[in-house]
Amino acid sequence: DTEVTQTPKHLVMGMTNKKSLKCEQHMGHRAMYWYKQKAKKPPELMFVYSYEKLSINESVPSRFSPECPNSSLLNLHLHALQPEDSALYLCASSPFGLGTADEKLFFGSGTQLSVL
Amino acid sequence: DAKTTQPPSMDCAEGRAANLPCNHSTISGNEYVYWYRQIHSQGPQYIIHGLKNNETNEMASLIITEDRKSSTLILPHATLRDTAVYYCIVNFGNEKLTFGTGTRLTIIP
Repeated sequence: DTEVTQTPKHLVMGMTNKKSLKCEQHMGHRAMYWYKQKAKKPPELMFVYSYEKLSINESVPSRFSPECPNSSLLNLHLHALQPEDSALYLCASSPFGLGTADEKLFFGSGTQLSVL
Repeated sequence: DAKTTQPPSMDCAEGRAANLPCNHSTISGNEYVYWYRQIHSQGPQYIIHGLKNNETNEMASLIITEDRKSSTLILPHATLRDTAVYYCIVNFGNEKLTFGTGTRLTIIP
């Protein structure tokens, strides 16, 4: 299994809703990432987990709450989002922990989120 | 602070080689040159990376100049499925991979 799987593929939510995005990989990778991508813009890093510990938080608002329950699973909990948070949310993983040279990232296909 | 400079768009005829340039004049000695691409509405896909030497894999070739200040990604026989945004990224490894604006490559039938 060489895939990063994200669910759901599409999500529509209201500003008062609570929802979660899910990301799974079964490649034994030890670093996992959340990126946000607005339309026609490059992906922007949000969070990085390394060995199941949050290592990087790029000053993301608290209405986004990441969780890494185990080495294969990464969640992004969403609460009280704004319409401007509508974007493609991408998950990625890499084989070794953060700070490893000569490493590449494997991306999922993303969750397209619309906040009404 | 952009570490790389790429042309915003390029066209290439189907079946021809696509040569995508990237300038990275401030690259550090331990930083690699990575190339990813993103086909519309999909996640980015790793293509190739290198440190100093030229590299080739089943998808592409990467040519890095001797001073490491620029590089070229070569898709040897472009197909319509190669239409995508191509990102050149300079990075140590898996730390804080930061995407620039990339080059939008369109393959023309």
